[in-house]
Amino acid sequence: EPEVTQTPSHQVTQMGQEVILRCVPISNHLYFYWYRQILGQKVEFLVSFYNNEISEKSEIFDDQFSVERPDGSNFTLKIRSTKLEDSAMYFCASSEGQGAFYEQYFGPGTRLTVT
Amino acid sequence: KQEVTQIPAALSVPEGENLVLNCSFTDSAIYNLQWFRQDPGKGLTSLLLIQSSQREQTSGRLNASLDKSSGRSTLYIAASQPGDSATYLCAVSPHRGSTLGRLYFGRGTQLTVWP
Repeated sequence: EPEVTQTPSHQVTQMGQEVILRCVPISNHLYFYWYRQILGQKVEFLVSFYNNEISEKSEIFDDQFSVERPDGSNFTLKIRSTKLEDSAMYFCASSEGQGAFYEQYFGPGTRLTVT
Repeated sequence: KQEVTQIPAALSVPEGENLVLNCSFTDSAIYNLQWFRQDPGKGLTSLLLIQSSQREQTSGRLNASLDKSSGRSTLYIAASQPGDSATYLCAVSPHRGSTLGRLYFGRGTQLTVWP
């Protein structure tokens, strides 16, 4: 069964460093998302992406964050200058479409630890 | 803003029991509602998707119902097994404004099924 994959599974970085989290969505899906989950808290939406542009972003997704689909398979989240509060599990998701019929499929996550 | 609440926060039951997990949401204008399972330190596995026009969905021992007008959903697990132990998350996809595709999550119900 097709699945969303993410690399790395765990990333440790120092405050102020740039990190890139990578995702390979399901191949026939057109909509891509990033979410994050701070330990013990709700899963929170960051951004959605369609047709090579951001379709929606949350208040969390500030200028430190960017997303890109550099080729036909990868979808990346970049954090330019990491902060301690960026430590979280980051989930990539994809869906075939948007609306009532379509569910989002999530990857296994990347645990980001900022020291 | 859509708020999703799940009750109870934790549940511990002996194997074989039938159980009900509850989810409520504040804005009834939704496209669909998804139930997910999350194992410790892992990603989200989609269990069931209920479209806004549907009343319930079934998959194996799982049955999810939706009462959109009252902003409620329940996940019924029949004949629980130790392998069902996980956190169960409820998420809604709003049907309002520019928030198409974005999921709003509850905090989850942490289920423990003991032999």
